[in-house]
Amino acid sequence: SQTIHQWPATLVQPVGSPLSLECTVEGTSNPNLYWYRQAAGRGLQLLFYSVGIGQISSEVPQNLSASRPQDRQFILSSKKLLLSDSGFYLCAWSVYGNGYTFGSGTRLTVV
Amino acid sequence: QKEVEQNSGPLSVPEGAIASLNCTYSDRGSQSFFWYRQYSGKSPELIMSIYSNGDKEDGRFTAQLNKASQYVSLLIRDSQPSDSATYLCAVNTGQTGANNLFFGTGTRLTVIP
Repeated sequence: SQTIHQWPATLVQPVGSPLSLECTVEGTSNPNLYWYRQAAGRGLQLLFYSVGIGQISSEVPQNLSASRPQDRQFILSSKKLLLSDSGFYLCAWSVYGNGYTFGSGTRLTVV
Repeated sequence: QKEVEQNSGPLSVPEGAIASLNCTYSDRGSQSFFWYRQYSGKSPELIMSIYSNGDKEDGRFTAQLNKASQYVSLLIRDSQPSDSATYLCAVNTGQTGANNLFFGTGTRLTVIP
């Protein structure tokens, strides 16, 4: 069966520090991968998605970036965090036509 | 116009009642429809999918789809306090590419014991 792993679960980072969040998927090949952010009490905001290794599409211009170095690995990064980067970050995967399956999420607080 | 719209709620129902959650979408070509449940502080969990007009039942949950009216609904029978969560509607527009699933902002449901 397919599983998605996301870590860390919680992160507190100072303003201006770098960020690296990792997501891996098991049990499927060539999945579509997604990074979402959910601010407190708000809806899901799509940040990046990827259809394959090295292929990244950005939905929202900001100081975040994403990479897909391997088929089932998706990384979200920032060189310098802002206070506004705080939120709940969710990785998800899908195959065409189906719903998305989400990881357990990372709660990021920038202080 | 938003792709997917939901009432934000909160929707409060007494324990044992039927909770009715509604969602409308703008893309008439949309092909598949999903309901997610999100507990506070947790990630969304897929609970129902529906692809054709009519009703689909799974335990206490029934998804209803009306493509002509462009709405999809979720009924929860015999509501329990454990059903208290935010319910997200998602619509796959069938557009080419990976970015074709659009989420509503969610309806918060509270089941009162």
